[in-house]
Amino acid sequence: NAGVTQTPKFRVLKTGQSMTLLCAQDMNHEYMYWYRQDPGMGLRLIHYSVGEGTTAKGEVPDGYNVSRLKKQNFLLGLESAAPSQTSVYFCASTRSLEGGAGFFGPGTRLTVL
Amino acid sequence: ILNVEQSPQSLHVQEGDSTNFTCSFPSSNFYALHWYRWETAKSPEALFVMTLNGDEKKKGRISATLNTKEGYSYLYIKGSQPEDSATYLCAFSGGFKTIFGAGTRLFVKA
Repeated sequence: NAGVTQTPKFRVLKTGQSMTLLCAQDMNHEYMYWYRQDPGMGLRLIHYSVGEGTTAKGEVPDGYNVSRLKKQNFLLGLESAAPSQTSVYFCASTRSLEGGAGFFGPGTRLTVL
Repeated sequence: ILNVEQSPQSLHVQEGDSTNFTCSFPSSNFYALHWYRWETAKSPEALFVMTLNGDEKKKGRISATLNTKEGYSYLYIKGSQPEDSATYLCAFSGGFKTIFGAGTRLFVKA
C-alpha cells in the first residue's frame, strides 16, 4: 500500500498561472480532505469530499476548486494563483468520520511569486 | 463557523517535566475529537480518537481526556523527553468534516 500520495512535492508559480494538485489514496477511503498549512495557523480545511462524485467547501475555499471523479483521487485546482496561496498543502483520507482527517500525504510546497 | 482553539500556543519545558495542553471545541454536532502529533518536515500522525464524554486514552507517557458537554479536551505528557518536541494538534470531527486547531508547539530541553 502506498497510502496517501501527493504530486507534485514542490512547485513555483507566477501570479495568474493555474495548476492542479493530485492526491491519490489506495485504501478505499470515502472521506478525502485538502488542508493548507500556514505559520501560526495550523491546518485549515479548503475543501473535502465524503465520497466519489461529491465535494464540499471547508473553512477557506475561495480561489480553489476540487473534483472527485474517482474514489481514489481528489484533485485541487488553482485557476489563477495569487501570492496569498503560497503555502504547504496536505491531503488526507479516512474511512469514516471517526478517523478524523485520517492519514496524511507528504505535502506539496507551493510558492506563488 | 466551527472554532477549535488550543492553548497555549507554545510551551518550553525541561526534560522530566510533566505538561498539559487544552483544546476547546463546539459542543454541538460533535462526532469525535482527535489528537495528532506533528514533527517538523513530516506529516501529522494520529495519537488518539475519542468519541464519548468522559473518554480517557493513554499511549505510553501521553494521555488525553474528553468532556463533550463543556467542549474541551486535555492532552497530558508525563516526564517529557526531548523526542516529545513537536506540535500537538487537536481536531474536531462533526458535520461530515474535520477541523483543526492551530496547535501547541512543545519544546523539551535536555
